Amino acid sequence: AQSVTQLDSQVPVFEEAPVELRCNYSSSVSVYLFWYVQYPNQGLQLLLKYLSGSTLVKGINGFEAEFNKSQTSFHLRKPSVHISDTAEYFCAVTPLGGSSASKIIFGSGTRLSIRP
Amino acid sequence: DAEITQSPRHKITETGRQVTLACHQTWNHNNMFWYRQDLGHGLRLIHYSYGVQDTNKGEVSDGYSVSRSNTEDLPLTLESAASSQTSVYFCASSEGTVNTGELFFGEGSRLTVL
Repeated sequence: AQSVTQLDSQVPVFEEAPVELRCNYSSSVSVYLFWYVQYPNQGLQLLLKYLSGSTLVKGINGFEAEFNKSQTSFHLRKPSVHISDTAEYFCAVTPLGGSSASKIIFGSGTRLSIRP
Repeated sequence: DAEITQSPRHKITETGRQVTLACHQTWNHNNMFWYRQDLGHGLRLIHYSYGVQDTNKGEVSDGYSVSRSNTEDLPLTLESAASSQTSVYFCASSEGTVNTGELFFGEGSRLTVL
């Protein structure tokens, strides 16, 4: 079975500062990894995903994440945040080769708040 | 543009009432999902479908049912609403391989059970 831990429920940062949102996972098999973003009063949308290849993945809106297999982490980073990045961010994991929707596991979310 | 819409966006009901949340997608996706979102729990899967006439139970399916009579719609029914079912419900769809494809989400339906 897989599990996802987002270590911070809330992260406040100042505008134009860098940010890192942490995600660790547990799995007995290899996994695919995702970050989704949820803006206020909206559904989730895909930010980026790691399926294979380069461990540094670039997504929309200047975000990137690095897959670290030895540390079982997939932390999300942005070098300089904007007010518009205020949202909740969800890490998700699913096993390689799996074909069941029940295997997509979401973390509990990290609320990013940007201070001017 | 293709989209996924949920209705109603907000609903208040009483314990014991039957409630149906609608989900309609124009992506022509075979895969459709219902999640509930609760503080501290992230998203939890209620039911999912891989195509017409196919439905499957997710992690938290007790008290919920779905039916898939066409590609576009996957309504979620609470047969007898309970206060524990107060939550925000999200419908999603995807194409292709479930585990590598992007999930497209609706804007959510906020349900309050009094």
